[in-house]
Order: sequence, then C-alpha cells, then structure tokens
Amino acid sequence: AQSVTQLGSHVSVSEGALVLLRCNYSSSVPPYLFWYVQYPNQGLQLLLKYTSAATLVKGINGFEAEFKKSETSFHLTKPSAHMSDAAEYFCAVSEGTGFQKLVFGTGTRLLVSP
Amino acid sequence: DADVTQTPRNRITKTGKRIMLECSQTKGHDRMYWYRQDPGLGLRLIYYSFDVKDINKGEISDGYSVSRQAQAKFSLSLESAIPNQTALYFCATSPTRDGGRIGTGELFFGEGSRLTVL
Repeated sequence: AQSVTQLGSHVSVSEGALVLLRCNYSSSVPPYLFWYVQYPNQGLQLLLKYTSAATLVKGINGFEAEFKKSETSFHLTKPSAHMSDAAEYFCAVSEGTGFQKLVFGTGTRLLVSP
Repeated sequence: DADVTQTPRNRITKTGKRIMLECSQTKGHDRMYWYRQDPGLGLRLIYYSFDVKDINKGEISDGYSVSRQAQAKFSLSLESAIPNQTALYFCATSPTRDGGRIGTGELFFGEGSRLTVL
C-alpha cells in the first residue's frame, strides 16, 4: 500500500524566510503525489499535484514541489514566507487505479512569525 | 453558498446515541468521500462512493455506515457513538474524466463537522 511520511509536525519560520516542508513517499508503483493546505476552521484545498508530467510542480500562492525519485521525496517549498501562509499542510499519495482515493500524511503545521 | 455543505457543523452527543452527518454538493461530481481528522493522525478515509450504487469501505470503516441517497448526497452514520469517535469529519467530492472512469485526485472539501461524544 502507498503511504507518505511528513517529517516534523510543526515548522516555524520568520516572515520572508524560506519555507521547506518535507514529505517522503512509499509506493510500489510510480506515485501520484499531492499537497493540500488547511487554513484554520476550513476544509482542505489543493495546492499542487504531481502526475509524472514534470518533476518540478508549481502550485498556488507561490508554492512549488519537486519530485525526486532517487530520494522518494516530494518536498514543498516557498522562497519567502508570508503571514497568510500559516496553516496546516498535508502531503498525500493516490492509491488504486484511476485516482480512486488519497492517503494523507499526518500533516505539518506551519507557523510564521513577524 | 458552499459547493460542499456539511450539516451539522458542530454536534455534542452521548455514548450510545445514533448520529447522522449529512453532506450535499452542487459540484456535480460523482465521487464522494468521508474522512475523519484527528490531531497528529492526519486524515483517514472512512467510506467512499463512486456513484449511488457503488459504496466502498476505507481504512477505518468499523463503527460507521453510509448512505448515498442521490448523486449529490452522501450521509455518514454512527449507529452507537463512542468517545473515540470524537473527531472532525470531512466530506469531499472529486471530479472524473474519460466518461467517469478516471479520477483527477483533486478533492473538494466541506468545512467539516466537529463531533464530540461524551
């Protein structure tokens, strides 16, 4: 079964600093990978997804992620953090043929200080 | 109005009571899902449905049941609630392509239903 591991339940950065949220996957087949964001008191929304077209994927709000097969990783980055980026971020992998369902990681809460 | 609407948004109940959480959508998606979120555990899949006649168990379906009353409605029931079912529950929908055979992986979530079982 596919799974993802998010390293660090909390990450703290200063406004303007680089954001790096880590995700490693375990999959017996080429994976399809996703990052979702959850703002306070809201449901999750899609940030970006990797479906094998390009290893560097750009998403909304200046986020991007790079698929590295050799490292089984799909880390999320943003060059300069903004206060509005404070949220919980979830990595997910598709399981089953035809994107039947997503398996989520345990989440990383991003804290941004002024 | 939200595209994916969950009711109730908050519910406090007692052990042994039957609870139904309802989800309705206006996005026209065939696929619908129920997840529960617990601190430190992320989201775990309870049930999912690809159409009215297609219901599938997720990784934590014990103690739960679902009903897909229509394409737009998908309800989650707890027949006899217990305290470890206290959690935030999310309904989500997902579009398909190629005549409905293939998903896209993009989930559209409701705002959640917070359930507390005393």
